[in-house]
Amino acid sequence: SQQGEEDPQALSIQEGENATMNCSYKTSINNLQWYRQNSGRGLVHLILIRSNEREKHSGRLRVTLDTSKKSSSLLITASRAADTASYFCATSQETSGSRLTFGEGTQLTVNP
Amino acid sequence: EPEVTQTPSHQVTQMGQEVILRCVPISNHLYFYWYRQILGQKVEFLVSFYNNEISEKSEIFDDQFSVERPDGSNFTLKIRSTKLEDSAMYFCASSELGRAYGDTQYFGPGTRLTVL
Repeated sequence: SQQGEEDPQALSIQEGENATMNCSYKTSINNLQWYRQNSGRGLVHLILIRSNEREKHSGRLRVTLDTSKKSSSLLITASRAADTASYFCATSQETSGSRLTFGEGTQLTVNP
Repeated sequence: EPEVTQTPSHQVTQMGQEVILRCVPISNHLYFYWYRQILGQKVEFLVSFYNNEISEKSEIFDDQFSVERPDGSNFTLKIRSTKLEDSAMYFCASSELGRAYGDTQYFGPGTRLTVL
């Protein structure tokens, strides 16, 4: 079974619109992190939310975590063309040390 | 702002050759990791390292792989005899604290390994 599945797989929006990406997971977690990856480049950390937290904000980013549904969402408000990238959720599971388990990612395209 | 660095950015090698990928983690971090991403696939965990020993490894991290912290700043991944399927982007990451504190892992820019 997959740990960390994002949906949608691809999302295309216009500049100024909000983008929402979702992540589901299957096992109990310590925390969930969101990363951004520009094509062929490194992973940029966006935000970490712990299992006892329900919502966090960072600038234009808002992350929610629902441990009862084993899901998280990443909202990017007032999107910009520079937000175009792949977005991944990664979970640190209770039973597997500090390793991160990544999802497949959502490819976000923000059209100018 | 401190960042994880990796060298080289791109490595091309022949099948069967040994490669060493190098990383300089953030200086006050104690936990180090290697991940890889095969083209078009998701990022996969390889190994974590703390206090000069492996703390966890995945099933991918077989006897062909080894890690080392040869000095106070570098962290290396060695692949002894590369295979075609080792072609991937390899990411190094580091964190200040470990699992118990739900710590952020900061990733380097990656080394693209191409095995011919």
